[in-house]
Amino acid sequence: EAQVTQNPRYLITVTGKKLTVTCSQNMNHEYMSWYRQDPGLGLRQIYYSMNVEVTDKGDVPEGYKVSRKEKRNFPLILESPSPNQTSLYFCASSLGRTSYNEQFFGPGTRLTVL
Amino acid sequence: AQKITQTQPGMFVQEKEAVTLDCTYDTSDPSYGLFWYKQPSSGEMIFLIYQGSYDQQNATEGRYSLNFQKARKSANLVISASQLGDSAMYFCAMRVGSSASKIIFGSGTRLSIRP
Repeated sequence: EAQVTQNPRYLITVTGKKLTVTCSQNMNHEYMSWYRQDPGLGLRQIYYSMNVEVTDKGDVPEGYKVSRKEKRNFPLILESPSPNQTSLYFCASSLGRTSYNEQFFGPGTRLTVL
Repeated sequence: AQKITQTQPGMFVQEKEAVTLDCTYDTSDPSYGLFWYKQPSSGEMIFLIYQGSYDQQNATEGRYSLNFQKARKSANLVISASQLGDSAMYFCAMRVGSSASKIIFGSGTRLSIRP
């Protein structure tokens, strides 16, 4: 089944404790992206990747890191999480990066930072 | 600056009625794509419909249609014959340009269908 998977689905952690949220897609998609969803703000793009070893900042990259060593994986790293990073996070992928490529979303990761 | 605006935070509609969810966008790039996604209470994001800036006709997908008015920069989603299962958050999104790397979402509209 074609899908985007994220792990963990739920995570409660404490301020300053490094964490990684994994994202993997099995559709051989070039483009991958991370978003955070906060009430009243919709989804905001954190980082995106147009291919292996090619990543760039979205609108809210502060406090996050990403890497794209393999085409299928695009982990999101929070080196020192803070309470303002409590949010619902989505990973998404699309076949290409043209304006007509729809995105496929993972199930989401709900992160709470205490 | 590129922007998506959804001005209706919440809407209530009677079952079986048609509903229009508003979306306006702002970009100076002539090449862009507009997308609508549905997010039910379970949280997943479901792609509904796509409209390209060069498309001559409005997009349709089953009960969903997109009322695309390029001059007004609006891309409203129309749901015909609404059903209880249509109750959800709806997001409008835009990808811009030939290297459509950045994707912008609106703040969403929460649609509630009354039986």
